[in-house]
Amino acid sequence: DTEVTQTPKHLVMGMTNKKSLKCEQHMGHRAMYWYKQKAKKPPELMFVYSYEKLSINESVPSRFSPECPNSSLLNLHLHALQPEDSALYLCASSPGLAGVAGELFFGEGSRLTVL
Amino acid sequence: KQEVTQIPAALSVPEGENLVLNCSFTDSAIYNLQWFRQDPGKGLTSLLLIQSSQREQTSGRLNASLDKSSGRSTLYIAASQPGDSATYLCADGSSNTGKLIFGQGTTLQVKP
Repeated sequence: DTEVTQTPKHLVMGMTNKKSLKCEQHMGHRAMYWYKQKAKKPPELMFVYSYEKLSINESVPSRFSPECPNSSLLNLHLHALQPEDSALYLCASSPGLAGVAGELFFGEGSRLTVL
Repeated sequence: KQEVTQIPAALSVPEGENLVLNCSFTDSAIYNLQWFRQDPGKGLTSLLLIQSSQREQTSGRLNASLDKSSGRSTLYIAASQPGDSATYLCADGSSNTGKLIFGQGTTLQVKP
């Protein structure tokens, strides 16, 4: 099973709302990622978790707050977002840190619209 | 700064044609390169991961090659079908931090 599951598939929120995106994998992977993708652009890395510890934060604004409750789950908490944050948010996982430690698998994404 | 380039940005071919998608990278010490497919509004699907020691990887009608000396990887699609229409991205996976370096992608349209 090479599946990364993301919920919800679509999310519409106002600028004062608090919401969360969720991601789950059962492949035993020890690295998990959040990416942001705008239309017609490649994914941009936001956060990397390795063995449940945050290893990379690509200078992401604090209105995005990641959480890794256990090795299978990854959350992205959203608060006071701006309309320009509207994008496709992709979760991914890999056996170790992607690249030297294995293949990267993506979920289907959560389409976020901020009004 | 390592960079990955994919040219052309878009490609349209008739069904049945064999085609090659190109990916250039500046990382002379590249460890591996991964090819992905993305359908509109969907996530990325991993197609092939090719290690620098392998030079080639095959999956069905797809064949990926990697040439470190020239800084190029190619994705060969045999007997293209309309279902192959998608955006294809390549990514340099050499970082030990988990960060992949993506190309801008090539959007392929296969016409019936």
